[in-house]
Amino acid sequence: QKEVEQNSGPLSVPEGAIASLNCTYSDRVSQSFFWYRQYSGKSPELIMSIYSNGDKEDGRFTAQLNKASQYVSLLIRDSQPSDSATYLCAVKHNFNKFYFGSGTKLNVKP
Amino acid sequence: DGGITQSPKYLFRKEGQNVTLSCEQNLNHDAMYWYRQDPGQGLRLIYYSQIVNDFQKGDIAEGYSVSREKKESFPLTVTSAQKNPTAFYLCASSSRTGGGDEQFFGPGTRLTVL
Repeated sequence: QKEVEQNSGPLSVPEGAIASLNCTYSDRVSQSFFWYRQYSGKSPELIMSIYSNGDKEDGRFTAQLNKASQYVSLLIRDSQPSDSATYLCAVKHNFNKFYFGSGTKLNVKP
Repeated sequence: DGGITQSPKYLFRKEGQNVTLSCEQNLNHDAMYWYRQDPGQGLRLIYYSQIVNDFQKGDIAEGYSVSREKKESFPLTVTSAQKNPTAFYLCASSSRTGGGDEQFFGPGTRLTVL
């Protein structure tokens, strides 16, 4: 079983719609969770971090965490073509190790 | 400007050669990391270091070596023992503890074996 699992996609949404990206993790003691955006050929860029159960909003992005279900999600409101990228979910374990999912590719159609 | 720099951006290696990838950060972060990314795949941890003069193997350390002689520098050597080194190599850093423990990435080095 992988430490962090994501649907590889591609997830296609029309411009202006809400994109919903999901991630599950296996280690119950994990405390820190992150979403990164990676454009083709570029390095990952941090979008959101979340540490407590519930929602965290930053502009058009909302991260949601449910530790009981070991589930993290990222909502992108008013999706734009520039949001088209691969989104990586990351979980921080003990001893400062991070585990990454394989990423979900998002296509936002104009 | 605070950040992480990696060099070179592109690197070509002949069979049997060792090559060293540079990673420098001026974020005053204690922890530094090396990841490998293959096309269409996620990041796999090669080595990480939480403090100067100390480092630990990640999930795919075979064929790689690192050093951490200074807080701001964490070079990665890809040795000839690494049989399939063509990949995108990413260096990252983070604070060790507490809130604000996000991990930030450098721009990456793309290594190709000729």
